[in-house]
Amino acid sequence: DQQVKQNSPSLSVQEGRISILNCDYTNSMFDYFLWYKKYPAEGPTFLISISSIKDKNEDGRFTVFLNKSAKHLSLHIVPSQPGDSAVYFCAASEWGSGGSNYKLTFGKGTLLTVNP
Amino acid sequence: DAGVTQSPTHLIKTRGQQVTLRCSPKSGHDTVSWYQQALGQGPQFIFQYYEEEERQRGNFPDRFSGHQFPNYSSELNVNALLLGDSALYLCASTYGTLAGELFFGEGSRLTVL
Repeated sequence: DQQVKQNSPSLSVQEGRISILNCDYTNSMFDYFLWYKKYPAEGPTFLISISSIKDKNEDGRFTVFLNKSAKHLSLHIVPSQPGDSAVYFCAASEWGSGGSNYKLTFGKGTLLTVNP
Repeated sequence: DAGVTQSPTHLIKTRGQQVTLRCSPKSGHDTVSWYQQALGQGPQFIFQYYEEEERQRGNFPDRFSGHQFPNYSSELNVNALLLGDSALYLCASTYGTLAGELFFGEGSRLTVL
């Protein structure tokens, strides 16, 4: 049973437009969420995170929104750039429940393609 | 500043064999976690090592074992390889056992024939 779901395997957007990547989770114990970006032949790199006590976190062009009641989070990239083309993974952990953010549960990823 | 380094980058084994993968954490990091990423899937947590002990473990059989050395480097061992063990094995490091961003290596691609 997948506890973190990224239902869109791929997304294509035009340069300069907004990219919205979605993620749903089923485990109500998850309280810390992260987005990782992965280029081919490289390991995932941390992008942005959000704690369950917040509903929004912003870092430059990247904003993550968390809707706890819907168990849904999204990553907004504005404006999108061709260099953003990569696989984006949503991940979650039970940090506050005595767990750690090392035991991350990942989604399957969404391939974002930003066209020039 | 060297990041997380893993070796080998690619290897091919046959069913029933054993494999050892190696990881050197990013400078200043003392905690290492291992993940398995099968084709088309997200990374799946195998286990975490801190102070040379396994601290947390995911849903993997005992065929998967590990070790952490005094210099914080780590090994992942898989015995009695199965075809389904074919995957990208990722090592991630951070400092301490509290909150921290995970830094991943490029991974070791294991193919089991």
